[in-house]
Amino acid sequence: GAVVSQHPSWVICKSGTSVKIECRSLDFQATTMFWYRQFPKQSLMLMATSNEGSKATYEQGVEKDKFLINHASLTLSTLTVTSAHPEDSSFYICSARERGIRDEQFFGPGTRLTVL
Amino acid sequence: GNSVTQMEGPVTLSEEAFLTINCTYTATGYPSLFWYVQYPGEGLQLLLKATKADDKGSNKGFEATYRKETTSFHLEKGSVQVSDSAVYFCALSDRGGGYNKLIFGAGTRLAVHP
Repeated sequence: GAVVSQHPSWVICKSGTSVKIECRSLDFQATTMFWYRQFPKQSLMLMATSNEGSKATYEQGVEKDKFLINHASLTLSTLTVTSAHPEDSSFYICSARERGIRDEQFFGPGTRLTVL
Repeated sequence: GNSVTQMEGPVTLSEEAFLTINCTYTATGYPSLFWYVQYPGEGLQLLLKATKADDKGSNKGFEATYRKETTSFHLEKGSVQVSDSAVYFCALSDRGGGYNKLIFGAGTRLAVHP
């Protein structure tokens, strides 16, 4: 149980285009989802926290107009990278926390974004 | 603020060697502590966790004990295998703001050779 999927697993796009990444909890209800960014050989940096039905809370330094997060249901959150540029190329990982379980997060497999 | 410090890698071991990856933390209150493992090209998998002082988390031969007096949560395994080669992240749950965020250490890369 507690499986989180991400789609797509990798994407290549041209500079200036927008890319949407989906994060789904497959067998549980996720009241909170988190989006992380990971640069090569580095740790995960939390970008934002989203609660179902409310606006996402962004970490300091993360542009909310560039990284749009929508958490429309208890099983789906999306991250849209708008007007992507090469510096946005990274590994994006989502995680989900199950309703009623405070501490544990379940991670998706990640999405590798390459912006040409 | 809360933070996690891990020993720098890479750690290179021969198969069946003993493994220790050090992790210390700074936190207010009583956070839960976690070890996650990341295999190449994949997301993170929870390896083990401990929710209070003196708790020992264990899984797949790995162990870590929550030591409040030394603010540590060192990861150990008695005999590593090649398949244990991965990056290991220590993390704590930050309950500030009610969101229970995870704060990660920098990660320690482990390479096990036959």
